[in-house]
Amino acid sequence: GENVEQHPSTLSVQEGDSAVIKCTYSDSASNYFPWYKQELGKRPQLIIDIRSNVGEKKDQRIAVTLNKTAKHFSLHITETQPEDSAVYFCAATNPTRTYKYIFGTGTRLKVLA
Amino acid sequence: GAVVSQHPSRVICKSGTSVKIECRSLDFQATTMFWYRQFPKKSLMLMATSNEGSKATYEQGVEKDKFLINHASLTLSTLTVTSAHPEDSSFYICSASPGTGDYGYTFGSGTRLTVV
Repeated sequence: GENVEQHPSTLSVQEGDSAVIKCTYSDSASNYFPWYKQELGKRPQLIIDIRSNVGEKKDQRIAVTLNKTAKHFSLHITETQPEDSAVYFCAATNPTRTYKYIFGTGTRLKVLA
Repeated sequence: GAVVSQHPSRVICKSGTSVKIECRSLDFQATTMFWYRQFPKKSLMLMATSNEGSKATYEQGVEKDKFLINHASLTLSTLTVTSAHPEDSSFYICSASPGTGDYGYTFGSGTRLTVV
């Protein structure tokens, strides 16, 4: 089955700097990779996703890159702001087989003002 | 966008009692919903896949007799924690997807269960 590893587990950056979170997956059949942001005590919110037919996707300050050969994908946040502080989870799945997500272990991002 | 409602948001119960948590898709039909458990500062652990009109599919290590799941309609799934014990205290959260073509899940707001 699928296994998703996520690094780092914690990340502190200065406001305005960039943050990068990396995930690797094991199942080459996975073709959908969402990223969720979870603030303390709240529900995870989808912030960006990527499908395996593209290598990069960008939405304002957030971007995701995918390397299918190496089976890893990364979340990039530029010009970080204090409100970006949260826990970020990556996930991998193949929606044509199952809607079940396999989540990474999460990264606690702290943006220092 | 897709909205998932979860109720209650917090519940405190005594050991040995049962607690029911509801997950509703408000503006779409969900043939499949998922139940997760999340420990403090930990990731989302999938407990089971709830299938409308059929039995839930449980993940390895999850006791099906303890965590009863019912998905009686296309908009409602319930998780009942039976004979709750303090070790069942956790954050339980459901998710659902509108289905074909929209792969992103929407999560419910979660239920913090405390068993005393």
